Amino acid sequence: SYVVTQTPSVSVAPGQTAKITCGGDDIGDRSVHWFQQRPGQAPILVIHDDKDRPSGIPERFSGSNSANTATLTISGVEAADEADYYCQLWDDNSDHVVFGGGTKLTVL
Amino acid sequence: MRLEESGGGVVQSGRSLRLSCAASGFSFKTYSFHWVRQAPGRGLEWLAVISYRGNYQYYGDSVKGRITISRDNSGDRLFLEIHSLRPDDSGVYYCARGSPLADRVFVRALDPWGQGVHVSVSS
Repeated sequence: SYVVTQTPSVSVAPGQTAKITCGGDDIGDRSVHWFQQRPGQAPILVIHDDKDRPSGIPERFSGSNSANTATLTISGVEAADEADYYCQLWDDNSDHVVFGGGTKLTVL
Repeated sequence: MRLEESGGGVVQSGRSLRLSCAASGFSFKTYSFHWVRQAPGRGLEWLAVISYRGNYQYYGDSVKGRITISRDNSGDRLFLEIHSLRPDDSGVYYCARGSPLADRVFVRALDPWGQGVHVSVSS
């Protein structure tokens, strides 16, 4: 089935911008969603359909998707943003939900 | 909107387990639902999805043949049966709401998620 690849870890200083990527063949043709998971908690949706923010998610979170890379961007990173982030999509060819392996965001 | 899983615990290897997910605060019967699990220290693993009417189910490759997803639209509940449990089935199991009115294509994001239920399989 379709494979997506995430960088295992990203580190950024407070106030800086973090970019977390999700790579896959022609992923730009698919709808990609992003989840934040803090330790011991369930995942929460932070971006859906490539770039849309659910209500209650800060404007600091944004998304884009083109060609072979989908990107979650967190501007003005705060300590509370330290978490694991997962991309997710639906693969029509295999009838499977696909998750990326996750990216651990560390706020220095 | 709320999802609450139950039915987890410590189970012996080789046994079966039935997890339940109770939904409230929205129209359960109009949504598809997923099960996702997370082994300790690992990432999210998709297990299964069921269509809103319950007539279509799709399973992840690692568990296909050992699990069954089902639903009770009159009782607003989702279920997952896991057979022939193995130690590597241990982890947190989440239910999550999927695409509305979906039969075969489930492109919408999984949202919301329940808090998860722990399953530990002893050898």
